[in-house]
Amino acid sequence: AQTVTQSQPEMSVQEAETVTLSCTYDTSESDYYLFWYKQPPSRQMILVIRQEAYKQQNATENRFSVNFQKAAKSFSLKISDSQLGDAAMYFCAYRGGTSYGKLTFGQGTILTVHP
Amino acid sequence: ETGVTQTPRHLVMGMTNKKSLKCEQHLGHNAMYWYKQSAKKPLELMFVYSLEERVENNSVPSRFSPECPNSSHLFLHLHTLQPEDSALYLCASSQLVTGANVLTFGAGSRLTVL
Repeated sequence: AQTVTQSQPEMSVQEAETVTLSCTYDTSESDYYLFWYKQPPSRQMILVIRQEAYKQQNATENRFSVNFQKAAKSFSLKISDSQLGDAAMYFCAYRGGTSYGKLTFGQGTILTVHP
Repeated sequence: ETGVTQTPRHLVMGMTNKKSLKCEQHLGHNAMYWYKQSAKKPLELMFVYSLEERVENNSVPSRFSPECPNSSHLFLHLHTLQPEDSALYLCASSQLVTGANVLTFGAGSRLTVL
């Protein structure tokens, strides 16, 4: 079975600084997708960024980028120029290539942004 | 209304009550999902509906009964729940196509079972 591990229960960063959230996963599949979701206090899960396993290039969305290391099964999220609005719970998630919307989530990392 | 809407936002019920959670998506998606988010546990997939047919039931107790009358609406009927069922219940939808099949989530229904 696939597992997703986020080893950092909490992280903090100063406004305008950079922070990296870690995620590792375990799978025997070759075709899969990885996601980072953000859950602010409003509780709405918002997609931050996604990565297709067959793509070697790391995904980037504005201030958010990933470091995808397929061999190491690592998928970290880098947030540059952190803003107060980035404070939230961040979840790493995995989906196999042939499954429906069955996402396997990590435990989450609470990110605090200090002004 | 846009996106995925869940009602009620908060629900408190006794163990003998019957209640329902409602989810509506306005995105034209063809798949809908129920996830359970408990404190200090990863999100757990409960049910998946594709084109109104249940395609996955992740060993969920029968006291949870889903219903998907059409591709825009999803219900979770609750009956004789236990205090450990207290959690945030998240609904999501997606368009099943080849590729990432990105889920869009609602804001959740916070359930407290007394």
